[in-house]
This record gives sequence, C-alpha cells and structure tokens, in this order.
Amino acid sequence: AQSVTQLDSHVSVSEGTPVLLRCNYSSSYSPSLFWYVQHPNKGLQLLLKYTSAATLVKGINGFEAEFKKSETSFHLTKPSAHMSDAAEYFCVVTPDRGSTLGRLYFGRGTQLTVWP
Amino acid sequence: DAGVTQSPTHLIKTRGQQVTLRCSPKSGHDTVSWYQQALGQGPQFIFQYYEEEERQRGNFPDRFSGHQFPNYSSELNVNALLLGDSALYLCASSPLAGTYEQYFGPGTRLTVT
Repeated sequence: AQSVTQLDSHVSVSEGTPVLLRCNYSSSYSPSLFWYVQHPNKGLQLLLKYTSAATLVKGINGFEAEFKKSETSFHLTKPSAHMSDAAEYFCVVTPDRGSTLGRLYFGRGTQLTVWP
Repeated sequence: DAGVTQSPTHLIKTRGQQVTLRCSPKSGHDTVSWYQQALGQGPQFIFQYYEEEERQRGNFPDRFSGHQFPNYSSELNVNALLLGDSALYLCASSPLAGTYEQYFGPGTRLTVT
C-alpha cells in the first residue's frame, strides 16, 4: 500500500528564514516521490521529483528535498523564504511498479504562511 | 505550447443532477487522470484513461464515470449529484501510462446545492 503523511498542517515562517515541510511515506515498492505546490485558485505545479537517482533533489524556486530511505522521509526545505512561497504544499508518492503504477497518492497538504 | 486545460472553470448544480467536466491534455500526452480535491484535503485519485479505456480506478462509486476520445481529451461524468461531491476536480496528463510525472490543469470547481 502507498500513503503519505505530512506532519504539519500549517507552517509559519518569517521572510528570509528557512523553510522545512515534513513528509513521511509508506510504499510497497521503491517509490517515486514529488512535491507539488498549489497557489490559491491555481492548479498544482510540480516543485521537484525523486525517481531513484540522487537522493538530494533540487527543484524550482530554490526548493530542495532529501530522500532518506532509512527514515522513509522526503522533507522539503528552502534556505530563505520569500513572500511568494506562501501556498499549499503537497507531498506525493507513486509506486514504480505494481497494479497502481502511475497513480499519485497525495498527503493532506501543508499550508505555508510567510510573514513579512 | 498549451498546458492541460479544463472546462468549465466553475459550475453550480443541484442535488440529483448530472454533470460533465472536460479536459484537454498537454500536447504529446496520451494519458489522462482525474482527481477530486475536497476543501482542505489533498487530491484523491478517481480514475485514469489510456487508449480510450479506463486503466485504473480509485475508491469512487459508479456514479463517477469517464471517457477518453481519440484525440486524448477526456470527460468526467458524475450522476445523481450529492452535496458531498462539491469539490475541485483536477485533470492531469502524462506522456504515457505508468510514467511518473503528471501535469495538472487548473481544475473545475463544482458546487452542489
């Protein structure tokens, strides 16, 4: 079975401070993992993806995530938050084989607020 | 290059009615997936279409059905609407079935009253 747990429903940071959004996953197979961002009234945009290559993945807008198999984690980080980063973030897992190949499993989301 | 497009943007329906939502995939993509995102939740997988057939289905009742056309566009139909069907419906396309990266459209906001 595949599932994702986002450990924080809300995260608030000040502009210019680091961002950490936490995600743990469960997967029957070696997974591919993603982070998507959703701004109000907009569709989902892919931030970054892990697909069995380098465990430290760099994405758009200065975000990165590290795949840690031993901890079944895929936390999203950014060194310095910007006001434009305020949005909903989703951690997503998909198995790399099996009957649900290609189906995305979403976490419940983390709302990031950035204070000036 | 147009991304994934969906229509309509917003829709208001009454309980018991039927609704059809439409999706055009990104150019070069032949697989379409549909997701339902209730308020405050992450998207939930409804089903996936490839080669005009439903290939996978999530835990949704038969009231939810779909179709894929030869040009790869897709429709999502929901019959006998319930208040709980109110949600944002997202369409995603990918280059072929089983690939990981899916591109999402802006969604259709359905309100059932």
